[in-house]
Amino acid sequence: QKEVEQNSGPLSVPEGAIASLNCTYSDRGSQSFFWYRQYSGKSPELIMSIYSNGDKEDGRFTAQLNKASQYVSLLIRDSQPSDSATYLCAVTKAGGTSYGKLTFGQGTILTVHP
Amino acid sequence: GAVVSQHPSRVICKSGTSVKIECRSLDFQATTMFWYRQFPKQSLMLMATSNEGSKATYEQGVEKDKFLINHASLTLSTLTVTSAHPEDSSFYICSAGDTGRRLFFGSGTQLSVL
Repeated sequence: QKEVEQNSGPLSVPEGAIASLNCTYSDRGSQSFFWYRQYSGKSPELIMSIYSNGDKEDGRFTAQLNKASQYVSLLIRDSQPSDSATYLCAVTKAGGTSYGKLTFGQGTILTVHP
Repeated sequence: GAVVSQHPSRVICKSGTSVKIECRSLDFQATTMFWYRQFPKQSLMLMATSNEGSKATYEQGVEKDKFLINHASLTLSTLTVTSAHPEDSSFYICSAGDTGRRLFFGSGTQLSVL
């Protein structure tokens, strides 16, 4: 079992729709959860971070965390073609330098078509 | 926002040569930097944690004698791939954490070993 699992996709949604990206993790000691966007050949860009159960909204993005189910998701409302990218789910444990020791999922390719 | 500069962005070298990659935090001091590797169509894998003034901590399966890490100052960490071989061809990315433990990624280095 992979530590962080994502559906690799590709996920295709029409422009203006809601894109739903899902991620599960295996280590119950995980404390911090992140969603990164990565364009081909580029480094990851932080989209959202979430640390406690529930929803966190930032503009068109909403992250949802359920630690009991070991599940974290990202919703993108009013999807735009520029949102087309690979979305990486990452988790880490708290404490010491562990904050930077991210474990990434394999990423979900999102395509938003006009 | 904070900027992490990584150089070079792309390097092509012959098998057996060594390649040095630099990672600089431009507007903040980073006591800890992290080095990741990403093979095509795979996710990022943490290679090592670079600590200013001390030895790097390598993840399981990463050869410390092959991937030399030096973190001589609070703004610079270097990764040297020694005696590179074609299987070392990959996308190498560094990240640096500021005092608030926010992580910033470098722009990445695409290494191709012929």
